[in-house]
Amino acid sequence: EDKVVQSPLSLVVHEGDTVTLNCSYEVTNFRSLLWYKQEKKAPTFLFMLTSSGIEKKSGRLSSILDKKELFSILNITATQTGDSAIYLCADLNFNKFYFGSGTKLNVKP
Amino acid sequence: KAGVTQTPRYLIKTRGQQVTLSCSPISGHRSVSWYQQTPGQGLQFLFEYFSETQRNKGNFPGRFSGRQFSNSRSEMNVSTLELGDSALYLCASSLAAGIRSNEQFFGPGTRLTVL
Repeated sequence: EDKVVQSPLSLVVHEGDTVTLNCSYEVTNFRSLLWYKQEKKAPTFLFMLTSSGIEKKSGRLSSILDKKELFSILNITATQTGDSAIYLCADLNFNKFYFGSGTKLNVKP
Repeated sequence: KAGVTQTPRYLIKTRGQQVTLSCSPISGHRSVSWYQQTPGQGLQFLFEYFSETQRNKGNFPGRFSGRQFSNSRSEMNVSTLELGDSALYLCASSLAAGIRSNEQFFGPGTRLTVL
């Protein structure tokens, strides 16, 4: 069965810091890797990555996929308290989503 | 466009009881997936329905079942509840089934507590 591992499990930073969240995966029929932000209840979609080496960017957030090393990172620059959340990555394998356990980010003022 | 809705939002049951959770997908979405989220296990896939048919199933016991109606609304049922079933149950809808879906849109979840 596919496996998605995220690190670190939790992270505490101060506003203005830059953070890098990691996601590694082992899949059999990889289609794409997705990142979600979960604040209170429902995860919200951030990025979908299918091609290796192409950075996706949205404001202060960016993500990149390395299909050779089976790895993705999510970068957040100039963090704000509103970035505090659980960040989930998931791989879309053929016809199922497999989620990691998430990285809990706490941004202190 | 209204988002994914789930009812009820909170539920308290006792061991041995059964429970039914409901999910209404975004209008036009035909795929509904269910997930269980617990602090220890993270987000785990339960099953996916597309056009009233179960397409995929995760590694959960037979006490967990579901169905989808012709209007794409889905229900999930858990029978003979156990303490370990306490979790946040999330459903997610997407336009097409998983293999072709770029994004899933999640509902707010149902928080189930089993006493």
